[in-house]
Amino acid sequence: AQSVTQLDSQVPVFEEAPVELRCNYSSSVSVYLFWYVQYPNQGLQLLLKYLSGSTLVKGINGFEAEFNKSQTSFHLRKPSVHISDTAEYFCAAEGYGGATNKLIFGTGTLLAVQP
Amino acid sequence: DTAVSQTPKYLVTQMGNDKSIKCEQNLGHDTMYWYKQDSKKFLKIMFSYNNKELIINETVPNRFSPKSPDKAHLNLHINSLELGDSAVYFCASRGFFGETQYFGPGTRLLVL
Repeated sequence: AQSVTQLDSQVPVFEEAPVELRCNYSSSVSVYLFWYVQYPNQGLQLLLKYLSGSTLVKGINGFEAEFNKSQTSFHLRKPSVHISDTAEYFCAAEGYGGATNKLIFGTGTLLAVQP
Repeated sequence: DTAVSQTPKYLVTQMGNDKSIKCEQNLGHDTMYWYKQDSKKFLKIMFSYNNKELIINETVPNRFSPKSPDKAHLNLHINSLELGDSAVYFCASRGFFGETQYFGPGTRLLVL
């Protein structure tokens, strides 16, 4: 079984400042990791994912994330945020190797970008 | 063209009623999902179908019954609606394991 922890429920940040959204996972098997973004009253959209290979993953809208196996983390970063980045961000993990696979989501982090 | 669509977008109904939510995907994916997002934004998988076969059935009350008439459609029927069913329900689909799940816009259900 997997679990995903997003310790920060809300992260306020000023426009053009850097931001890091934290995500830690727990799993007894290897996992694929994802970050999704949800804008107000919309569905979820994939930002980026880690399946294998390079531990630094680049996604859309200037976001990137680093997979750290020893720390079981997959933190999301952006060097300079915009007002339009204000949204809910979800980290998710999916274990592989079992008969059925499902995406387990963290509780989300609201990124609130202020002018 | 919308990849994953859901109808209706909003649903307001009384306790005890029966309602259905429809989902369609035009991506040619084999696997479809239903998720529930509660008022605290927590997302939890409810069901998954692969090529019309139920493969994931989480601990969901029997009042919820998914139906997949073909691999492009996955509908959710809810009997005897309760106040606690108020939530946003998302449909999603994907092709292969590890691939991106594509989410629909959500159906906002309010039970009065």
